[in-house]
Amino acid sequence: EAQVTQNPRYLITVTGKKLTVTCSQNMNHEYMSWYRQDPGLGLRQIYYSMNVEVTDKGDVPEGYKVSRKEKRNFPLILESPSPNQTSLYFCASSLSRAGELSGELFFGEGSRLTVL
Amino acid sequence: AQTVTQSQPEMSVQEAETVTLSCTYDTSESDYYLFWYKQPPSRQMILVIRQEAYKQQNATENRFSVNFQKAAKSFSLKISDSQLGDAAMYFCASEGASGEYNQGGKLIFGQGTELSVKP
Repeated sequence: EAQVTQNPRYLITVTGKKLTVTCSQNMNHEYMSWYRQDPGLGLRQIYYSMNVEVTDKGDVPEGYKVSRKEKRNFPLILESPSPNQTSLYFCASSLSRAGELSGELFFGEGSRLTVL
Repeated sequence: AQTVTQSQPEMSVQEAETVTLSCTYDTSESDYYLFWYKQPPSRQMILVIRQEAYKQQNATENRFSVNFQKAAKSFSLKISDSQLGDAAMYFCASEGASGEYNQGGKLIFGQGTELSVKP
């Protein structure tokens, strides 16, 4: 089954404790991206990757890191989480064509993160 | 900066009636994609419909259609014969260019419209 898998789905942590949210897709998609969803703000892009070893900042990259060493994986790293990073996080993937996002975005089920 | 605006935080429709959700966007690109996504209470993001900006014909998917006005930068979603299962948050999104080589991949979402369907 084609899917994007995120883990953990729920996490409560404390300020400053490093954490990683994993994202894996089994569709051989080139494009992967991370979003955060906050009430009244919609989804905001954190980072995206057009291919292996190619990443770029979205609108709200501060406090986050990503890496794309393999095509299927795109982990999101919070080196020192703070309460303002409490949010619902989505990973997504898609085929890309000539550097454009032309296909449907397939989303993971979301990861609810709470930073105390 | 590219923006997407959904001016209706909430909408309501009677079952079997038609409802239109509004979306406006701002972009300097000549070729781009526009999307409507649905997010039911399960939180799963589901693609409803997609429009390529260079195509003048409005996209249609069963009961869902768009009114794409490129000059006005408007991309509204029409839901016909509304069903209870259509109740969800709906997000409009546009693809923008970004990065060192001005390539695509930067997807910008609106704030969302919460649609309720009354039986």
